[in-house]
Parts: sequence; structure tokens; C-alpha cells
Amino acid sequence: KQEVTQIPAALSVPEGENLVLNCSFTDSAIYNLQWFRQDPGKGLTSLLLIQSSQREQTSGRLNASLDKSSGRSTLYIAASQPGDSATYLCAVSGAGSYQLTFGKGTKLSVIP
Amino acid sequence: GAVVSQHPSWVICKSGTSVKIECRSLDFQATTMFWYRQFPKQSLMLMATSNEGSKATYEQGVEKDKFLINHASLTLSTLTVTSAHPEDSSFYICSARDRGINEKLFFGSGTQLSVL
Repeated sequence: KQEVTQIPAALSVPEGENLVLNCSFTDSAIYNLQWFRQDPGKGLTSLLLIQSSQREQTSGRLNASLDKSSGRSTLYIAASQPGDSATYLCAVSGAGSYQLTFGKGTKLSVIP
Repeated sequence: GAVVSQHPSWVICKSGTSVKIECRSLDFQATTMFWYRQFPKQSLMLMATSNEGSKATYEQGVEKDKFLINHASLTLSTLTVTSAHPEDSSFYICSARDRGINEKLFFGSGTQLSVL
């Protein structure tokens, strides 16, 4: 059974700092990995999707990497802003399935 | 971009009543929709997978008679929590797969259910 772990559970940084969020998964036979953002009481916003054959994806200040063999992914946020404050979720889908297994998330607070 | 509309965004009900949550794909056809539940400080957990025109597939531990899922059209899936109890209080989120964009899932804004 796939398990997804995110470290740290919470992170507080001053505005402007670069930061890295970590995600690990136990079964490397994944189809893809996604990073989501969740604001309190809101739904999810997909940030980046990395196919199993890819090693990284970039969107603006966000960069996500994937090392499938070691079961790890990182989300790098450059020049953090208070508006980046949210919970970031990592999720993987198994081969041949669109069902996602989520981590518990990292709650990010960017202090002005 | 693709939009998934989920209603209501929050609902408070008395114990024993039933609550229906709607999930609509507004500008695409969704052959598959997923329903998730999230308890405070926990990860999203998949409850069931809903395929248009067929019965939903429920995850282990999810009571199909309690959480009724209907996916009668390519743009609408509903989740009905029957005879709700306080322990059913949770955040419910749906997602839909655009059959024109293979892997991409689009999420609704979620429904916060509070059962008194």
C-alpha cells in the first residue's frame, strides 16, 4: 500500500526566503506526482504535475523535482511571499490509475 | 482552465438527516469523478471513484449505503450522506478527470459538513 510522507509538517519563514518542501513515497511504481496548494477551508489548486518519466517541472517561482527510484520529490519555492502561505500537499498516482494518495501536507507560513 | 463547481460550500445539519453534495464539471466532460474526505490535520482520503453511468467503487472502510454516489451524466456527480452523524462531520472534496486531458485532475472547492 502506497504511503506518502511530507516533511516538515509546518514551516515558518520570513518573506523573501527560498524554501524546500519534501515528499517521500514508499512505492516507486507511480504514474505521476502532483503538488497541490490548499487554502484553509478551500479546495485544492494543482501547482505542478510531474510524470514518472520526468525529473522536474517548473512554474514561475515553483520548481518540483522527482527522484522516482528513491521515492522522493521536493518543491522549491523561490523568493517566498506572504501570499504563498497555505498548506502544500503532495500526491502520487499509481500506475494505471488516476486515484491519488496524498501526504498530510506541509503548512507554510511566510512572515511579512 | 477547467472548472469544477462543488455545492454547497458548507452545510450544518441535524443528526439523522441526509445531505447531498453536488460536483459539476462546468466546461469539460468528466468520465470519472473522485470523492475525498479530509479530517482536521489529516491527509485527504479517497472515499470512492465514480464512473459515469456505472456504480461507484468504494474504498475499503467506506460504507456504500451511507455515502450514496450518483454519476448520472458526464458533468455531474452527487454524494449523499445518509442519516448523518456527528462523526461524519468533515471536509468533502470532489475531483474530476477531464477525458480530453489524460492525467489532469481538477478539484472542487470542497464542502464543510457539520453534523450537530
